[in-house]
Amino acid sequence: DIVMTQTPLSSPVTLGQPASISCSSSQSLVHSDGNTYLSWLQQRPGQPPRLLIYKISKRFSGVPDRFGGSGAGTDFTLEISRVEAEDVGVYYCMQGTQYPHTFGQGTKLEIK
Amino acid sequence: EVQLVESGGGLIQPGGSLSLSCAASGFTFSSQAMSWVRQAPGKGLEWVSTISDTGADTHYPDSVMGRFTISRDNSRDTLYLQMNSPRAEDTAVYYCAILRWSDRIMDVWGKGTTVTVST
Repeated sequence: DIVMTQTPLSSPVTLGQPASISCSSSQSLVHSDGNTYLSWLQQRPGQPPRLLIYKISKRFSGVPDRFGGSGAGTDFTLEISRVEAEDVGVYYCMQGTQYPHTFGQGTKLEIK
Repeated sequence: EVQLVESGGGLIQPGGSLSLSCAASGFTFSSQAMSWVRQAPGKGLEWVSTISDTGADTHYPDSVMGRFTISRDNSRDTLYLQMNSPRAEDTAVYYCAILRWSDRIMDVWGKGTTVTVST
């Protein structure tokens, strides 16, 4: 199984400041079709998960452009350029390259 | 509006059985793969199963293989998860989600149904 490891597990951030979450996989997420199926999801308190980013850096419909993704191979990053109050929640990376699909442990974003 | 509504959760004894449903609306259900994902209390997300659009292909992690069965009725726009021989560690909120196969993304999620396995 591919193990997804996120750092940090908790991230206190000041409103208006940037935030960054890292995700590394135990093996390359490059599929034989050439795509890298790495996505990022946000889960606000009491809500189901919500898709933010897919295929490393593609922003999903309706996602604010302050969210961005980057990376390649086994190392990936979610960046929020200026954190807003509504960004509080837990962020997960997920790989869909290989079964079983696996998630990172989650990173809790909170406001200082 | 695309919508997924889970039902069927509740209290179940270890070794019993329970069937979850996910009613879909607002999209062509028979054209989309579907997944179940769960979240134990205070914990992260765990993928539980995926079924292809026709139902011909199914996938499970080792943690539920042989105990859980995913199925679908495309005539009723409904996804199911049959849970047999549940264990305490299966206690979780169970979400169904659309899996857009071309991008391997779960882009629409239901609100979830809670399953508690306990004596």
